[in-house]
Amino acid sequence: ETGVTQTPRHLVMGMTNKKSLKCEQHLGHNAMYWYKQSAKKPLELMFVYNFKEQTENNSVPSRFSPECPNSSHLFLHLHTLQPEDSALYLCASSQEGGRVNQPQHFGDGTRLSIL
Amino acid sequence: GENVEQHPSTLSVQEGDSAVIKCTYSDSASNYFPWYKQELGKRPQLIIDIRSNVGEKKDQRIAVTLNKTAKHFSLHITETQPEDSAVYFCAAIRTGGFKTIFGAGTRLFVKA
Repeated sequence: ETGVTQTPRHLVMGMTNKKSLKCEQHLGHNAMYWYKQSAKKPLELMFVYNFKEQTENNSVPSRFSPECPNSSHLFLHLHTLQPEDSALYLCASSQEGGRVNQPQHFGDGTRLSIL
Repeated sequence: GENVEQHPSTLSVQEGDSAVIKCTYSDSASNYFPWYKQELGKRPQLIIDIRSNVGEKKDQRIAVTLNKTAKHFSLHITETQPEDSAVYFCAAIRTGGFKTIFGAGTRLFVKA
């Protein structure tokens, strides 16, 4: 299943670099999510967009800046990251339309390493 | 704040045995409980989910039970196979909400 595509798959960057992660979904969903996955920790929700509007910002540091130009695309702009930001960043999408939640579909993630 | 506790963190079983993973949630407004399987180096994938209006759901070798009063839900895998080896995550979500709270995961090893 390649309904949610993330690029790049791997990224190594210095603390002063600026880079962006990209996510694209081909499932016709209206909600998109960014998660951080670190070793031995629960998946941490970072941001949620519904119909391009941000609905959740889970106290994420400002060095992470999301952008959602439309319901199919989601970006995570990175600037001045710290070594503890090294993790797998997962994008997900779901079809939300009311009181009944739907499962989220995940991408393969971007493995980010901060030098 | 809201949290989901998941146990055990690691589970090793012999092929053919059953495996049970348990989760407890704190937000009483949660009403949707998905389970995801993540194989090494791959994306999390939904394997089964349950909503608060039912107590049990089954799909072949996988079943999930929900006790809303106790705020517990469990994943049961019967007749385990080596390809069941993976990390399993439980999650809890409020009605119509977007904030998904995940458990820390259970690493399941199925020995052939």
